[in-house]
Amino acid sequence: GAVVSQHPSRVICKSGTSVKIECRSLDFQATTMFWYRQFPKKSLMLMATSNEGSKATYEQGVEKDKFLINHASLTLSTLTVTSAHPEDSSFYICSARGVVEGGRQPQHFGDGTRLSIL
Amino acid sequence: EDQVTQSPEALRLQEGESSSLNCSYTVSGLRGLFWYRQDPGKGPEFLFTLYSAGEEKEKERLKATLTKKESFLHITAPKPEDSATYLCAVTTDSWGKFQFGAGTQVVVTP
Repeated sequence: GAVVSQHPSRVICKSGTSVKIECRSLDFQATTMFWYRQFPKKSLMLMATSNEGSKATYEQGVEKDKFLINHASLTLSTLTVTSAHPEDSSFYICSARGVVEGGRQPQHFGDGTRLSIL
Repeated sequence: EDQVTQSPEALRLQEGESSSLNCSYTVSGLRGLFWYRQDPGKGPEFLFTLYSAGEEKEKERLKATLTKKESFLHITAPKPEDSATYLCAVTTDSWGKFQFGAGTQVVVTP
């Protein structure tokens, strides 16, 4: 149980392109989804928190116009990197958690998307 | 300021050589502490949740414990397939937002 699917697993594209990454919870309803960025040999850096049907909450320093997040249903959230540039190249990981129980539910992670901007 | 610190940064073990990883935290109002393992190029895989001091959880060769200031992940008689980066995370809010430690990279050699 608690499977999260992230797609695509790898993207290589030219500078200026917009890229959409999908995150789906396959066997549970995700009231909250999180988007992270991970640099080589570093831990996960939270970018934003999204709750179904409402606007995402972005962490300090994350450009919300650059990283558009949509959480339109209880099983799907998308991250769109708009007008991507080489400095946006990174490993992006989503996670999902089910019904909030005082913040005690674990997050379940997708397998990440390796984004490379040429 | 809330802080989560993992030690050591890296650990090299012989197969069968038991050891412990540490996750110390200074946060206000801990709601949960979580352990994950992450393989290269993959997302973190959930291992354990601990809620209160004194709690222990076990799964195969792994055992996690929690005190008021830190958590330990004990690896008993590790095998090469236990090689991974082990991450701990804490949550203090009702939305379950995580603060991660930097991780411990474990390499188990045959």
